[in-house]
Amino acid sequence: AQTVTQSQPEMSVQEAETVTLSCTYDTSESDYYLFWYKQPPSRQMILVIRQEAYKQQNATENRFSVNFQKAAKSFSLKISDSQLGDAAMYFCARTGANNLFFGTGTRLTVIP
Amino acid sequence: DAGVIQSPRHEVTEMGQEVTLRCKPISGHDYLFWYRQTMMRGLELLIYFNNNVPIDDSGMPEDRFSAKMPNASFSTLKIQPSEPRDSAVYFCASSPLFGGAGYTFGSGTRLTVV
Repeated sequence: AQTVTQSQPEMSVQEAETVTLSCTYDTSESDYYLFWYKQPPSRQMILVIRQEAYKQQNATENRFSVNFQKAAKSFSLKISDSQLGDAAMYFCARTGANNLFFGTGTRLTVIP
Repeated sequence: DAGVIQSPRHEVTEMGQEVTLRCKPISGHDYLFWYRQTMMRGLELLIYFNNNVPIDDSGMPEDRFSAKMPNASFSTLKIQPSEPRDSAVYFCASSPLFGGAGYTFGSGTRLTVV
């Protein structure tokens, strides 16, 4: 099965602290893309960061970075210096044939 | 760029009625996707188009669902007749490439069928 697994339904972090959201996936393909999307209460799906599987270097976008372990099929998201505006649902996603497979999401709460 | 524009934002309809959801993709994006989001099933791909042509509609749940893309700047998802189990948030997304660039999503339409 071509699945994406997010094992943490909910996470919380103190403002200004760092939090890591986990994601594992299953694929038989050698070339694919991985994404983290943020869905705030407004329900807009916002692309946070993307990673190309053939690149070993971990992607970084300002306070957001990933730890991509291709052999382990792991793709975690690290949020540094957490802000109140980071509170949202976070979805991990992977490209596949004719589809973009999403995980079930992690709800992140930021505590002031 | 205004992004992907969906309308309406909310739709409440009675069972048996026809519902039409609308989407305007980002100009220049060759791919358009319709997704459905529910608590039970998460985000599911319903159908996607490439250059206005439907490529894969295997995610369309039943014949009651249909989608069209008459031109590069407009797509519709129609449900006829609607049923309470169709209640969900429906997203449209577009992309210049398949997969690699990531998809830009619209704000979604929350459909409630009573």
